[in-house]
Amino acid sequence: EPEVTQTPSHQVTQMGQEVILRCVPISNHLYFYWYRQILGQKVEFLVSFYNNEISEKSEIFDDQFSVERPDGSNFTLKIRSTKLEDSAMYFCASTEGTGGNEQFFGPGTRLTVL
Amino acid sequence: AQSVAQPEDQVNVAEGNPLTVKCTYSVSGNPYLFWYVQYPNRGLQFLLKYITGDNLVKGSYGFEAEFNKSQTSFHLKKPSALVSDSALYFCAVRAPSGSSYKLIFGSGTRLLVRP
Repeated sequence: EPEVTQTPSHQVTQMGQEVILRCVPISNHLYFYWYRQILGQKVEFLVSFYNNEISEKSEIFDDQFSVERPDGSNFTLKIRSTKLEDSAMYFCASTEGTGGNEQFFGPGTRLTVL
Repeated sequence: AQSVAQPEDQVNVAEGNPLTVKCTYSVSGNPYLFWYVQYPNRGLQFLLKYITGDNLVKGSYGFEAEFNKSQTSFHLKKPSALVSDSALYFCAVRAPSGSSYKLIFGSGTRLLVRP
């Protein structure tokens, strides 16, 4: 069964460093998302991506964040200068489209900022 | 604004007993409602959804959920709980219109099924 994959599973970085989180969505899906979950809290929407551009972003997704689909298969989230409060589990999700399709989530990347 | 509430942080139930995990929502228009389950150190797994049609929807692992428009609820149920059902459960809503169809999640309910 096709699944969303994410790498790395765990990333430890120093405050101020850049990190890139990688995702490979399901191949025929068209809509891509990043969510995050701070430990013990709810899952929060960060950004959605369709047709090679951002379709919506949350307040959390400030200028330090960017997304890219560089080669038609990978979908990346870059945090340019990490802060302590960026420590969280980051989930990638994808879906075929609208009309009630569920989103499929990857296993997540745990980001720890020291 | 769309929102989802899961009023219980934790639900405890004995194996073999029925379980209910509560969810209420607030959204303009007709809602698209989802339940996801998260096992420790794992991603979110889709359980079931309500889009339209029958108010009782059936999903994976014997779970079902009942959509109640007048009460704006979408409670998750299972007739007979298993210890392996112990996990974190999230209710989510997606408004049917809009450009991104993002999911808005509730705060999650931890289900603990004791042997």
